[in-house]
Amino acid sequence: AQKVTQAQTEISVVEKEDVTLDCVYETRDTTYYLFWYKQPPSGELVFLIRRNSFDEQNEISGRYSWNFQKSTSSFNFTITASQVVDSAVYFCALGGNQAGTALIFGKGTTLSVSS
Amino acid sequence: KAGVTQTPRYLIKTRGQQVTLSCSPISGHRSVSWYQQTPGQGLQFLFEYFSETQRNKGNFPGRFSGRQFSNSRSEMNVSTLELGDSALYLCASRNPGTGYGYTFGSGTRLTVV
Repeated sequence: AQKVTQAQTEISVVEKEDVTLDCVYETRDTTYYLFWYKQPPSGELVFLIRRNSFDEQNEISGRYSWNFQKSTSSFNFTITASQVVDSAVYFCALGGNQAGTALIFGKGTTLSVSS
Repeated sequence: KAGVTQTPRYLIKTRGQQVTLSCSPISGHRSVSWYQQTPGQGLQFLFEYFSETQRNKGNFPGRFSGRQFSNSRSEMNVSTLELGDSALYLCASRNPGTGYGYTFGSGTRLTVV
């Protein structure tokens, strides 16, 4: 069975601190995709990144970076120099590329950044 | 290009009633999937439609149904509403096989009283 675990339910940091959100996944598929989404209070899920199972390169986008390690089935997300606007719920998800494959979400991590 | 549009944004219904939610995907996207989000269960997959055919269905009772039209717009219907159906319903569109991810709409917040 496929599963995504986000062990951290809530994280609170002070502005400018670095914070890492953990994501561990389980799948028997050899080809799969991993995603991170941000959900602000408005409710919309905002796409942050997609990574396929064959690409283990880490990625950096501004203050955001992602560390994908197949050996430990982890896809962690780091925010450097956090800002108040980063406060949201962050979801890690596992999915496939073909029609009919569902996105399996973790329970989410609520990040609160105070000034 | 325009994003995924869900209507209505908010809805209040009474137990036993039925409700229909609408989702217009990004132009050119042929797949629409639906998710239910509740505080207790988190985000759960309802179903996915591709080219007007349901390709997969999550573990929900038959009261939850959907359809997709030839223009890729999708509707989701819930009959005989229960209090537990109160949730944020999100739809997402994509083009399977292209390697691109899902784009979500803002959701419909359904409250059953």
